[in-house]
Amino acid sequence: DAGVTQSPTHLIKTRGQQVTLRCSPKSGHDTVSWYQQALGQGPQFIFQYYEEEERQRGNFPDRFSGHQFPNYSSELNVNALLLGDSALYLCASSLWTGETQYFGPGTRLLVL
Amino acid sequence: GENVEQHPSTLSVQEGDSAVIKCTYSDSASNYFPWYKQELGKRPQLIIDIRSNVGEKKDQRIAVTLNKTAKHFSLHITETQPEDSAVYFCAASVRGGSNYKLTFGKGTLLTVNP
Repeated sequence: DAGVTQSPTHLIKTRGQQVTLRCSPKSGHDTVSWYQQALGQGPQFIFQYYEEEERQRGNFPDRFSGHQFPNYSSELNVNALLLGDSALYLCASSLWTGETQYFGPGTRLLVL
Repeated sequence: GENVEQHPSTLSVQEGDSAVIKCTYSDSASNYFPWYKQELGKRPQLIIDIRSNVGEKKDQRIAVTLNKTAKHFSLHITETQPEDSAVYFCAASVRGGSNYKLTFGKGTLLTVNP
């Protein structure tokens, strides 16, 4: 039974570029949430997807967008990258009917 | 929105001692409180959680207590071992019209000295 997977593991971009991060949820899960974890901080909620729709969103600008596919996998897109977007991006999967969230290994993004 | 405060930010104990980490939350509607352990360079791993209809939950050396009136909850680790060294995060969550979104504390770096 595969756990939550994310790709790529590391990414280096320059300011103004765009990036796409990918997440495959744990087998049987239908809900994907994305979090940003800055160095030395707790994860911060970006948004959550279920049934291919964004269901709720945290305090992040519209430069952050996402998508969920029919197989429940998800993408996080960030446009017009800023230095402050450098962080570990975590995805978490869960059941829509449950509360337990399991995290993937994350994608570490460095913006130069 | 929800705000979670976590203390202390660092905690150093001797192997075999107990460790206690405390969190407070602001939204009285919060009803789900997980704790995650994150080792350096690894993913956060759920170690224990508690729901608002329960005051205490225990799993071997780990226990969590919840005081809804005071809006605080605590993680207790007994008989600490060097492999318990990690950053621990508390979180609070409420299921409104949508699914749960977790609001995390800033974390506690626990060091267990052999």
